[in-house]
Amino acid sequence: EPEVTQTPSHQVTQMGQEVILRCVPISNHLYFYWYRQILGQKVEFLVSFYNNEISEKSEIFDDQFSVERPDGSNFTLKIRSTKLEDSAMYFCASRSVYLGNQPQHFGDGTRLSIL
Amino acid sequence: QQQVKQSPQSLIVQKGGIPIINCAYENTAFDYFPWYQQFPGKGPALLIAIRPDVSEKKEGRFTISFNKSAKQFSLHIMDSQPGDSATYFCAAPYGATNKLIFGTGTLLAVQP
Repeated sequence: EPEVTQTPSHQVTQMGQEVILRCVPISNHLYFYWYRQILGQKVEFLVSFYNNEISEKSEIFDDQFSVERPDGSNFTLKIRSTKLEDSAMYFCASRSVYLGNQPQHFGDGTRLSIL
Repeated sequence: QQQVKQSPQSLIVQKGGIPIINCAYENTAFDYFPWYQQFPGKGPALLIAIRPDVSEKKEGRFTISFNKSAKQFSLHIMDSQPGDSATYFCAAPYGATNKLIFGTGTLLAVQP
C-alpha cells in the first residue's frame, strides 16, 4: 500500500539553527499538509499546500516557517531559526482531491529536538 | 467552534472488553469524522470514518456510533486485544482545505 515517508526520523539541532524536514507524499495525491504534535498533546495543523502554493496556515505557522515542493516528489518544511518550543513531532500528510472527503494519510513523523 | 472534545483521556480494559471513546463537536459544518490510531513512534493511521448521514458504521471489531442531534460520536472496540493498545484520536476536517481538527486523544491500554 502506498505510504507517506518522512526523513529524518529524528533531528537534533541547536537553537537558532535552520532545519529542513522532508516528506514524500503518496504519488497521486495533490493536497499536502504539515502537522505538529508536542509531547503528550494533540496533533495540531500547521499548513496546507496545493497547486504549488500555501492554501491555508495556522497561527503557529509564522515567518520562521516555510514550505516548498522543490521537485515532483518531495515536500519540505523549513524552520529558519529554531526555538526551544519548536521541539515536537512533525507529521506530513497527503490526500487526493477527488470529490467528497478523502482521508489524509500520515507519515511516521520527524522528532525534532532543539537544544 | 472548531473544537472536537474527546474523552476519556486514558482507558484501561481487560482483554475481550469493549472500550468506548467519546467525541463531541459544536460546528455543524463538520461532515466527516475519521478516527486515527497511533502507536508509539508512529504517525496517526486512519482506522475508520463516518459521515453524519449514517448512525453506525462497522469495520471488523471497530464500530462508530453517531448521534447527529446530540453532535456526538463514539468508537467501540469489540473483543479488544493487547495489540489494540494505542492512542486513539477522533478528528474532523474543516475549512476549504479540509485541515484536520483533532481531539485530545485517548490512551488505551488493553491488559492480557
